[in-house]
Amino acid sequence: AQKITQTQPGMFVQEKEAVTLDCTYDTSDPSYGLFWYKQPSSGEMIFLIYQGSYDQQNATEGRYSLNFQKARKSANLVISASQLGDSAMYFCAMREGGLDSSYKLIFGSGTRLLVRP
Amino acid sequence: GAGVSQSPSNKVTEKGKDVELRCDPISGHTALYWYRQSLGQGLEFLIYFQGNSAPDKSGLPSDRFSAERTGGSVSTLTIQRTQQEDSAVYLCASSFQPIKSSYEQYFGPGTRLTVT
Repeated sequence: AQKITQTQPGMFVQEKEAVTLDCTYDTSDPSYGLFWYKQPSSGEMIFLIYQGSYDQQNATEGRYSLNFQKARKSANLVISASQLGDSAMYFCAMREGGLDSSYKLIFGSGTRLLVRP
Repeated sequence: GAGVSQSPSNKVTEKGKDVELRCDPISGHTALYWYRQSLGQGLEFLIYFQGNSAPDKSGLPSDRFSAERTGGSVSTLTIQRTQQEDSAVYLCASSFQPIKSSYEQYFGPGTRLTVT
């Protein structure tokens, strides 16, 4: 069965420092995608970054990068140069990609990040 | 451009009443998803619509939950005989036709449902 595990319920980071949010996943489908979403206190889900299972390189989007270790089934999010506005809940999610798939997202339980000034 | 919109933003209802939650996806997006987020938890998939295909209802928690999508656009999630455990934020998302797993889903602001 598909599963996403985020083992850090809460994290602190000093402003301007880098932080890594952990995510491990389990799937038997060779074709899948991994996503990170940010959910500020306002509640909206903001897409951050995507990694495909066949992508050779780690995804990067501005200050966000994804440390994809396929053999270990991990997809950790790295935020560089943290800003106060990065304080939010962060969710890792997986989507299996078969042709008859609904592409629904399976979410982890989230990590609450607090950036200290 | 307009994003995914949902209404109402908040709904308080008495146990046993029926509620309807509405989602208006981004224009041009053919895939529509409903998720539920209980307090402090991750999102739980409920149902998926894609074009004229039969919906994937595998995430609906009970037969009190149903959803429809009219004209390939607006969707309504209906919860009959609400229970206190139905209290949650209900999020709608839409995307382009998901022929690629990379197509991200765009989420609406959610409807916070409180059953008293």
